[in-house]
Amino acid sequence: DVKVTQSSRYLVKRTGEKVFLECVQDMDHENMFWYRQDPGLGLRLIYFSYDVKMKEKGDIPEGYSVSREKKERFSLILESASTNQTSMYLCASSRQGASNQPQHFGDGTRLSIL
Amino acid sequence: GNSVTQMEGPVTLSEEAFLTINCTYTATGYPSLFWYVQYPGEGLQLLLKATKADDKGSNKGFEATYRKETTSFHLEKGSVQVSDSAVYFCALLRGSGGSNYKLTFGKGTLLTVNP
Repeated sequence: DVKVTQSSRYLVKRTGEKVFLECVQDMDHENMFWYRQDPGLGLRLIYFSYDVKMKEKGDIPEGYSVSREKKERFSLILESASTNQTSMYLCASSRQGASNQPQHFGDGTRLSIL
Repeated sequence: GNSVTQMEGPVTLSEEAFLTINCTYTATGYPSLFWYVQYPGEGLQLLLKATKADDKGSNKGFEATYRKETTSFHLEKGSVQVSDSAVYFCALLRGSGGSNYKLTFGKGTLLTVNP
């Protein structure tokens, strides 16, 4: 089974802090994704990566950056956390190739910015 | 662009009732379609998928059929259980070009099953 592991289930940080969310997958997937999930808004894509050191902006990249130095690891960085970044963050991975490859998700990190 | 519309919840049913959650989509070409489930406090799990017209995806008693003529992928289960209480997301993956790996999600439907 695919395993996508997010480093923290719950995280509390302060406004202005630099915050790192880590995600690791064990299935040698080429693609990795970061989403945020908010009530009434569903899942929104922040960034994705289709290869090491490659990244593309999703629908809501403002205030975030990402890092993919190794194939199995994809980090989301909040450069200067703000209260409107309080949310559930979900990481996912998928295999490249045909368009029928599903994404596999981690358990999520519930981040609170005070 | 691509979009997914699913019925708004919440949906509340009694155990053993029949479930339908409607999902329709807009996309060019031939997307793959998915249903994901999110149990309380957890991430999303793939429930079932269908990759071409008239395909039926099934898993754990849930079924959905890819209907290209009506651009729909409705989720059904004949007899729900309390343990099926969760949020259900319909999603599509459109395969071509540089952004062919991005899922487009519906907003989710909360299902509560009472004993």
